[in-house]
Amino acid sequence: AQKITQTQPGMFVQEKEAVTLDCTYDTSDPSYGLFWYKQPSSGEMIFLIYQGSYDQQNATEGRYSLNFQKARKSANLVISASQLGDSAMYFCAMEYGNKLVFGAGTILRVKS
Amino acid sequence: GAGVSQSPSNKVTEKGKDVELRCDPISGHTALYWYRQSLGQGLEFLIYFQGNSAPDKSGLPSDRFSAERTGGSVSTLTIQRTQQEDSAVYLCASSISPGTKRNIQYFGAGTRLSVL
Repeated sequence: AQKITQTQPGMFVQEKEAVTLDCTYDTSDPSYGLFWYKQPSSGEMIFLIYQGSYDQQNATEGRYSLNFQKARKSANLVISASQLGDSAMYFCAMEYGNKLVFGAGTILRVKS
Repeated sequence: GAGVSQSPSNKVTEKGKDVELRCDPISGHTALYWYRQSLGQGLEFLIYFQGNSAPDKSGLPSDRFSAERTGGSVSTLTIQRTQQEDSAVYLCASSISPGTKRNIQYFGAGTRLSVL
């Protein structure tokens, strides 16, 4: 079965600096998709970035990029130039059949 | 509306009562999902609807939980005889292209259920 592991319960980053949120996954499927979502205190899950297992390049979406290391089964999210509004919970997820399997999440706090 | 809409945003109920949670997906999205987010269990899949196909109910925790989707659009999640352990945030999501690459699920703001 698919499993997502996020080992950092909480992270701090100074405003304007970059931060990496870790995610490792376990699957026996050769084809899979990995997602990152942001959940601010308002509760809504906001889609950030997607990486397909056969994608040749690491995904990027504005200030978000995904450091995808397939052999290590890791899909770390990199946020560049952190902003105060980036303070939120971040979830890594993987598709499994008709559903998403989520990690436990990482709380990110951006300091001014 | 542009996004997934859920109502009510908050619901407080007494143990043993039935509750209904509503989800209005993004227009044109054929797939609809329900998840539950609780402190102890994290984010858990509950049920999935795709078009007119039979729903995937594999994540429903007990027979007190049921869901329907009328006309391929709005969905209602019903919890009968609520228990305190049902207290959680219930999230609904929809997507346009299930079964394909890059099937992005877009979420609503959730319904926070508190069972007293």
